[in-house]
Amino acid sequence: SQTIHQWPATLVQPVGSPLSLECTVEGTSNPNLYWYRQAAGRGLQLLFYSVGIGQISSEVPQNLSASRPQDRQFILSSKKLLLSDSGFYLCAWIPFRAGKGEQYFGPGTRLTVT
Amino acid sequence: TQLLEQSPQFLSIQEGENLTVYCNSSSVFSSLQWYRQEPGEGPVLLVTVVTGGEVKKLKRLTFQFGDARKDSSLHITAAQPGDTGLYLCAGTSGGYQKVTFGTGTKLQVIP
Repeated sequence: SQTIHQWPATLVQPVGSPLSLECTVEGTSNPNLYWYRQAAGRGLQLLFYSVGIGQISSEVPQNLSASRPQDRQFILSSKKLLLSDSGFYLCAWIPFRAGKGEQYFGPGTRLTVT
Repeated sequence: TQLLEQSPQFLSIQEGENLTVYCNSSSVFSSLQWYRQEPGEGPVLLVTVVTGGEVKKLKRLTFQFGDARKDSSLHITAAQPGDTGLYLCAGTSGGYQKVTFGTGTKLQVIP
């Protein structure tokens, strides 16, 4: 069976510090991978998605970046965090050439920038 | 830019009441999903609809995809406290790779 992991679960970082959030998927190959940010009680804002190693599409200009160094690993980074980067970060995957766009989400990372 | 607007944004009802949540866009989608999310967790898939006019039922939940594949609705019959949560619709395009999420509907069912 497939599983998706995110870490850390919670993070408190000062403004101006770097960020690295990691997402890994097990039990599948060539998944499409997605990073979202969610404000409290609101919908999901798509940040990045990837259809393969080294292939990253950015949806929103900001001080965040993403990388996919391995097939099942997706990393979200920042060199200098802003207060507005606080939120709930979710990683999701879609099976390669299967289904109709159904996404499977990780448990999320709660980021607070102070 | 594709947008999905959900209405209402918030809904607080008594146990046993019926409700409908709407998901509207001016864009055509290849498919549309509905998710439910509990606080502090990731969204969980409820259903996928693909064909215009399609209706799917999941126990007390009924999902419908608009004929033109631009909108969808979720109807809950006899709501239960366990239905409480954030409901999200999501439309796909670009060969199901690109996903746009709706603005969300926060439902509270009071016992």
